[in-house]
Amino acid sequence: GAVVSQHPSWVICKSGTSVKIECRSLDFQATTMFWYRQFPKQSLMLMATSNEGSKATYEQGVEKDKFLINHASLTLSTLTVTSAHPEDSSFYICSARDPSGGLTGELFFGEGSRLTVL
Amino acid sequence: DAKTTQPNSMESNEEEPVHLPCNHSTISGTDYIHWYRQLPSQGPEYVIHGLTSNVNNRMASLAIAEDRKSSTLILHRATLRDAAVYYCILANSNSGYALNFGKGTSLLVTP
Repeated sequence: GAVVSQHPSWVICKSGTSVKIECRSLDFQATTMFWYRQFPKQSLMLMATSNEGSKATYEQGVEKDKFLINHASLTLSTLTVTSAHPEDSSFYICSARDPSGGLTGELFFGEGSRLTVL
Repeated sequence: DAKTTQPNSMESNEEEPVHLPCNHSTISGTDYIHWYRQLPSQGPEYVIHGLTSNVNNRMASLAIAEDRKSSTLILHRATLRDAAVYYCILANSNSGYALNFGKGTSLLVTP
């Protein structure tokens, strides 16, 4: 079946550095991808909708200058956490929908990327 | 956006059926009902979705009330691998069919 893959699975960085997380759709082309963040013992929070060839749409309260999203191709979206701080430590998850399933079809989720900022 | 309400946790014995309820009294006519589940430290996994009619697939069944204000996810024979957090989510075109997750139900399956 369709697969969405994230890289890296986990990353540890120093405070003040930037970290890039990649999300790839392996079996289909995705014009839209979604980025989520999940803190321990909490639910997933939608951060932004990544649109191929155009600007991402951010949810209220999510800083677009801090969480840079680039969807340069139909199979790749990247999330860059700029000037990361310990409070940005979280589990970041991307998802995409196979267009052949229609807009109401299932979302395929990546394995998640665990970011720890020291 | 219409909200969903689920019990925080449920427990089931292995190989018994499990009925996970979800209330969505403010559902609109264009809202699809989606169910996903998440195992620890993994991304969510699709389970099933529907609009008005009951749905069946290899993983589960979805029973939708006639007034659509509630639905029930049915796992016909729970296994230990079904222990996860189950999320009931409404999605429509207004949000680009993005999924906004609530707190979900944590299902514990005991041998």
